[in-house]
Order: sequence, then C-alpha cells, then structure tokens
Amino acid sequence: GENVEQHPSTLSVQEGDSAVIKCTYSDSASNYFPWYKQELGKRPQLIIDIRSNVGEKKDQRIAVTLNKTAKHFSLHITETQPEDSAVYFCAASETSYDKVIFGPGTSLSVIP
Amino acid sequence: DTGVSQDPRHKITKRGQNVTFRCDPISEHNRLYWYRQTLGQGPEFLTYFQNEAQLEKSRLLSDRFSAERPKGSFSTLEIQRTEQGDSAMYLCASSSTSPGYNEQFFGPGTRLTVL
Repeated sequence: GENVEQHPSTLSVQEGDSAVIKCTYSDSASNYFPWYKQELGKRPQLIIDIRSNVGEKKDQRIAVTLNKTAKHFSLHITETQPEDSAVYFCAASETSYDKVIFGPGTSLSVIP
Repeated sequence: DTGVSQDPRHKITKRGQNVTFRCDPISEHNRLYWYRQTLGQGPEFLTYFQNEAQLEKSRLLSDRFSAERPKGSFSTLEIQRTEQGDSAMYLCASSSTSPGYNEQFFGPGTRLTVL
C-alpha cells in the first residue's frame, strides 16, 4: 500500500522567511496530493492540493511542486506569519475522493 | 451549520467497554471516511463508504471495530471491548464523487480516552 514520508518533523523560521516541507510517496497509482494544516485542537483543513497532471500550483503565499517521476512533492510558504504556525500534513490518494494516506506531519513554528 | 458533525466530542470509558460514535456528513456528500489520529501522528485511514456500501476497511483495523452507514447518510463507528491503545481522536470526513472539486471535509473529531 501507499506510504508517505515527510521531513522535517519540526521547523522553526523567523517571521517573513520561507518554509519548505518535503514529502515522498511510494505508490505510483497516487494522482492526488493534498496538504492539510492542523492547528492545536482543531480539525485538519485543506490548504492546497495538486494533481499529477500539474507540476506546480500557487495560491498567494503557498506553492506546491510535484515530481511524479521521483515521487517527490513539496510545500513552500513564503513571507511566513505567526498565524502560519501549525502542523502541516502532506498526503497522497488515487483521487480526491479516495482514501487519503497522510504523512507524519511537520510542526511549523513562526517566530515573531 | 452545514459542515461535518460528530457526536460525542469526547468519550471517556473503561477498558473492556463498548463505545459508539456518530458522524453526520455534509448532506449532499456520498462518500464518508473514518480516520484515527494519535498524538503527534497524521490521521490514519480506517474505512470508507460510498452511500451505504463499505468500500474498504484498513487491514490494520481490528475485528473489534465495525462501521456502518445504513441509509447512506450518517455513519456509526463501534469499538467493542475497548483497550487503552484505542485512545485517540476519531475523525470523520465526507466528500462528493460528482464531477468537479471533491475535497474531503473533516469533522471536529471524537476524542476517546480508555482508562
């Protein structure tokens, strides 16, 4: 079955700097790669996703890249703000409505 | 509130007792998912439904766990003979398979503590 790995497990950046989280997956059948943000005590919320027919996608300060050949995908947050502090999960799935396999998470701290 | 709802939000039980959780999905969503999340980990897939049909159950899931969605609307997850290792947050999510954007929306979760 699918296995998603994620690093780093913790990341601390100064406000205004960029943050990068990297993930790998194992199942070549995966075509949908969502990223979730989970604040303490809250539910996971989708912040951005990318499908396998696209190499990069941007939404304001957030961008994701996908290298399907290498089975790598990454999240980039620019101009980080304290409210970006949370746990971020990468994930993989065959489609957006199939079961989602999550990575172990990255705890991001943005220092004011 | 038109989002995914879960009940109860918290459950404390003694080892060996049975517990049942309920999930109400977004009304037009035909798929419903159960995940389990322990502290410091990502959500782990348990099972999912399309309408009333259970499509897949995780191989890691003990026979003590059972889920159903009898009318294709709400779903229940039952854990029999609970063990301390069952303590976790149980998350429900729903989505649609209709053409277009099919994001999975998560509920607030049910936090289970087994003493």
